[in-house]
Amino acid sequence: GAGVSQSPRYKVAKRGQDVALRCDPISGHVSLFWYQQALGQGPEFLTYFQNEAQLDKSGLPSDRFFAERPEGSVSTLKIQRTQQEDSAVYLCASSSNGLPQETQYFGPGTRLLVL
Amino acid sequence: SQQGEEDPQALSIQEGENATMNCSYKTSINNLQWYRQNSGRGLVHLILIRSNEREKHSGRLRVTLDTSKKSSSLLITASRAADTASYFCATDVNQAGTALIFGKGTTLSVSS
Repeated sequence: GAGVSQSPRYKVAKRGQDVALRCDPISGHVSLFWYQQALGQGPEFLTYFQNEAQLDKSGLPSDRFFAERPEGSVSTLKIQRTQQEDSAVYLCASSSNGLPQETQYFGPGTRLLVL
Repeated sequence: SQQGEEDPQALSIQEGENATMNCSYKTSINNLQWYRQNSGRGLVHLILIRSNEREKHSGRLRVTLDTSKKSSSLLITASRAADTASYFCATDVNQAGTALIFGKGTTLSVSS
């Protein structure tokens, strides 16, 4: 594909609502990453997939956050029972093989606002 | 937690001037990368410098890395209004060398 795409671009949720954020990585990219970026801060790592395997989920802030990539392509980040502190931009990135020298290509992000 | 700290937090210059941003980090790294983020847009990769490199150039960008001081600098020469953005340094420090750890960024404003 042309680049990493994410949907929706904007999401407003009421506190307690569940949300699902989608990421379409660059076609053929093995590695996929999710990051959370709070206002005025740099992105913070949430979780990492190699194909369909979730190899690192150490950055997920709570058990309300769940990510999957069942077929090794599209990924979904789900947040259950959203809280106001979940308001942030959620960025998805992909890279060819996840090797240290590789560039991670980022999508435009989903801006989540929890009221 | 964030690994890198950019300095300054904000920088305002005139078109044509050079802009220098610094980044300090805490632990040993494989690589250090610089990214740019325009308002409302995703992160765009600018340049990667490996831990065994000291300097790298790409167009109007010059990056230096001093692993003994655990610091890097990004120089943008002959700045343009289109360079207005936030700039982040990112390092990979975990065992697999995959996840990036970003700093808080420097907000650069270039006025014409």
